[in-house]
Amino acid sequence: SQTIHQWPATLVQPVGSPLSLECTVEGTSNPNLYWYRQAAGRGLQLLFYSVGIGQISSEVPQNLSASRPQDRQFILSSKKLLLSDSGFYLCAWSVSVEAFFGQGTRLTVV
Amino acid sequence: AQRVTQPEKLLSVFKGAPVELKCNYSYSGSPELFWYVQYSRQRLQLLLRHISRESIKGFTADLNKGETSFHLKKPFAQEEDSAMYYCALREAGNNRKLIWGLGTSLAVNP
Repeated sequence: SQTIHQWPATLVQPVGSPLSLECTVEGTSNPNLYWYRQAAGRGLQLLFYSVGIGQISSEVPQNLSASRPQDRQFILSSKKLLLSDSGFYLCAWSVSVEAFFGQGTRLTVV
Repeated sequence: AQRVTQPEKLLSVFKGAPVELKCNYSYSGSPELFWYVQYSRQRLQLLLRHISRESIKGFTADLNKGETSFHLKKPFAQEEDSAMYYCALREAGNNRKLIWGLGTSLAVNP
């Protein structure tokens, strides 16, 4: 069966430090992969999506970047975190209709 | 532009009362519509989709193209229905992206 792993679950980082959040999918091939930010009152904001290795589409200009070094691996990064990067980040995958979500990462930038 | 609107941020009902979570959309083509749910401390997951015309956990949702709505309904709410509910739209023929509403937090009180 398919599973999605996202880590870490919580992260506290100082302003200006780098970020790397990782997401891996098991049990499927060539999935579409997504990074979302979930904020109260703002719903789900799509940050990046990828339809294949090395193919990244950015939905909103921001301080973050994404990479897909392997078929089932999706990484969210930043070189220098800002306070405004704090939030709840969700990774998701899909191959057809339904999207499957990870448990999320609560990032606090201090 | 495609848009999904959930006008209520918070909906509070008593156990056994009917519940309706509203969702309106704007889209010029033939969309696919979904309801996702996130229970406390659980992953965001698919609840139902309009194509299936199914009832899940007592919930139903009918696509009304005339009113461009996809309201989620349940005749008798249960306490375990308390959760965050998101309405989402997928463009016809586009498996890549979902367009999300801001979500409605449903609280079912005893």
